[in-house]
Amino acid sequence: DTGVSQNPRHKITKRGQNVTFRCDPISEHNRLYWYRQTLGQGPEFLTYFQNEAQLEKSRLLSDRFSAERPKGSFSTLEIQRTEQGDSAMYLCASSPPPGNTEAFFGQGTRLTVV
Amino acid sequence: GQQVMQIPQYQHVQEGEDFTTYCNSSTTLSNIQWYKQRPGGHPVFLIQLVKSGEVKKQKRLTFQFGEAKKNSSLHITATQTTDVGTYFCAGPISNFNKFYFGSGTKLNVKP
Repeated sequence: DTGVSQNPRHKITKRGQNVTFRCDPISEHNRLYWYRQTLGQGPEFLTYFQNEAQLEKSRLLSDRFSAERPKGSFSTLEIQRTEQGDSAMYLCASSPPPGNTEAFFGQGTRLTVV
Repeated sequence: GQQVMQIPQYQHVQEGEDFTTYCNSSTTLSNIQWYKQRPGGHPVFLIQLVKSGEVKKQKRLTFQFGEAKKNSSLHITATQTTDVGTYFCAGPISNFNKFYFGSGTKLNVKP
């Protein structure tokens, strides 16, 4: 499968714990996005990478959230001190250069904070 | 908050009936994309419209981009049960680095 891969698919954690999600984009895609989706809503932009550089970060993203893409390939999204309001589907998407083209989404990681 | 509005929120149709969802932006869009998300699935790209007044067809699906590039529509002719899902429009706001998604129109097709 050469699509966007996300791990884990599901994560249940206790409030206050840290969690980390991983995204492996399609190999030739230099653009990588993280979105969050809650029930009945569209995907909400969180952050954007072009290669290893994080170029955009939503104001919705509190200091508890951090994302990296160290070698311009896979990316990780970490949430520290999780809160119940963090429960959502976290979607990763990638796009090929030169940009402004379709985004290929992964299956997502569903986070439940109890 | 989101700057791309989508209506209706839900649509229930009988199989064979037509369906339309509308997308409106508060600002001019350089392009607009449409995605479909099946229940329990992830968004899948359908199409991108770039030109003012552009109309594109994919079998039973017709996509339009408004003349002012602030609105768009997706029309499905003679719906089938395989059309069930949520349809999202998405537009780049300010730059091409992020797309704002509409809240989606959830389509249910009764056989």
